Amino acid sequence: DIVLTQSPGTLSLSPGETATFLCRASQVVNSDYLHWYAQKPGQAPRLLIFGTSNRAAGIPERFSGSGSGTDFTLTISRLEPEDFAVYFCQQYGSSRYSFGQGTRLEIK
Amino acid sequence: EVQLVQSGAEVKESGESLKISCQGSGYNFRSHWIAWVRQMPGKGLEVLGIIYPDDSDVRYSPSFQGQGQVTISVDESISTAYLQWGSLTASDSATYYCARRGKRCSGIVCSEYYGLDLWGQGTTVTVSS
Repeated sequence: DIVLTQSPGTLSLSPGETATFLCRASQVVNSDYLHWYAQKPGQAPRLLIFGTSNRAAGIPERFSGSGSGTDFTLTISRLEPEDFAVYFCQQYGSSRYSFGQGTRLEIK
Repeated sequence: EVQLVQSGAEVKESGESLKISCQGSGYNFRSHWIAWVRQMPGKGLEVLGIIYPDDSDVRYSPSFQGQGQVTISVDESISTAYLQWGSLTASDSATYYCARRGKRCSGIVCSEYYGLDLWGQGTTVTVSS
């Protein structure tokens, strides 16, 4: 099974700054099948980025994704108060799904 | 409105059975796979399995397949997917989400990207031992 490891565990930033999240896979991942989600307390996850770099419907341009192979990145520019949440990456491969353990973005 | 609406929170005792539901609306329910995702308290996300409403094809994740685990089903006539347990244990305590597997379309040609683009609000299951 492909294991996704996210770093850092917690990111402490202020509104207006840029957040960068890393997702590293234990094996090569098909870029079309690497996705990012955000989850706020008490809420369901929300799809942000699909296929490494495509924004989901309604997601602002401040959110961008990149990467290939085993290393993938989510970047949020000009952080706004509503961006503070837990972020997960997810991949599909060999008929299996796996999620990273999540990165918590907290207000500094 | 395009949405998935799940049944309410459940409190059960160990050994009891349970069936929770997820009703879709606002889109062609039959044509999208529905996944069930578990989130244990303070933990990450795990896909238990997926079902295709049009033909009830079910695929379980290896960790959740086998006797005494979960059963995924669907009633496409009422656009509802189900997750059920025959005998709950305390380790089943978690929040369970249903989620739609998304498609990417270019004109009339659509392809799966195996991400989850629409989520239910979650059903919290608490099992006391």
